[in-house]
Amino acid sequence: KAGVTQTPRYLIKTRGQQVTLSCSPISGHRSVSWYQQTPGQGLQFLFEYFSETQRNKGNFPGRFSGRQFSNSRSEMNVSTLELGDSALYLCASSLPNTKDRPQGSGANVLTFGAGSRLTVL
Amino acid sequence: AQSVTQLGSHVSVSEGALVLLRCNYSSSVPPYLFWYVQYPNQGLQLLLKYTTGATLVKGINGFEAEFKKSETSFHLTKPSAHMSDAAEYFCAVSSALGSRLTFGEGTQLTVNP
Repeated sequence: KAGVTQTPRYLIKTRGQQVTLSCSPISGHRSVSWYQQTPGQGLQFLFEYFSETQRNKGNFPGRFSGRQFSNSRSEMNVSTLELGDSALYLCASSLPNTKDRPQGSGANVLTFGAGSRLTVL
Repeated sequence: AQSVTQLGSHVSVSEGALVLLRCNYSSSVPPYLFWYVQYPNQGLQLLLKYTTGATLVKGINGFEAEFKKSETSFHLTKPSAHMSDAAEYFCAVSSALGSRLTFGEGTQLTVNP
């Protein structure tokens, strides 16, 4: 069973540019979340998508956006890049937590991809 | 709101010694608790999780953790460290209603020969 696939793995951009990162979840997983990892701020939640709808959003400026497609693949976009946007961006997929899913079923278990390392110069 | 505190950003042990990584959490609802490990240039790999039921949870690679509600702790242990355990470890908490994880700052584990 293929894991979570993130592309590209590494990329370099300059300030002011924009970037799009892609995430393909595990087959059958319909929930996708994004996290930013930096040495200074650690791991921070960006947003979560389920059925092409954003269900939850972290405390990031509007320059950070995302979307999810009908096949559950997700993209995130960062516009007007700043030096501080240099980070490892991690995508994770999971089965969505729903009222029908029993407590303790492991529905909240996220499986992470290897990440996309963005360097902004 | 939820939060996680990992005591000790760096822990160093000798090969064969006990590994103890500390994690305390704060949550207004019954928590789901997780330990993830990250090797250099890789994503996060789930070590173990606590959802409901037994408070002593066993994970992969010989790790285990105990959920102590009275102490709001979820410390990670391994009886005997191996060189391959050297990595960064993250404790995380989520609510029962969603999959959003709140992570601790991480603990870098070094294993000395």
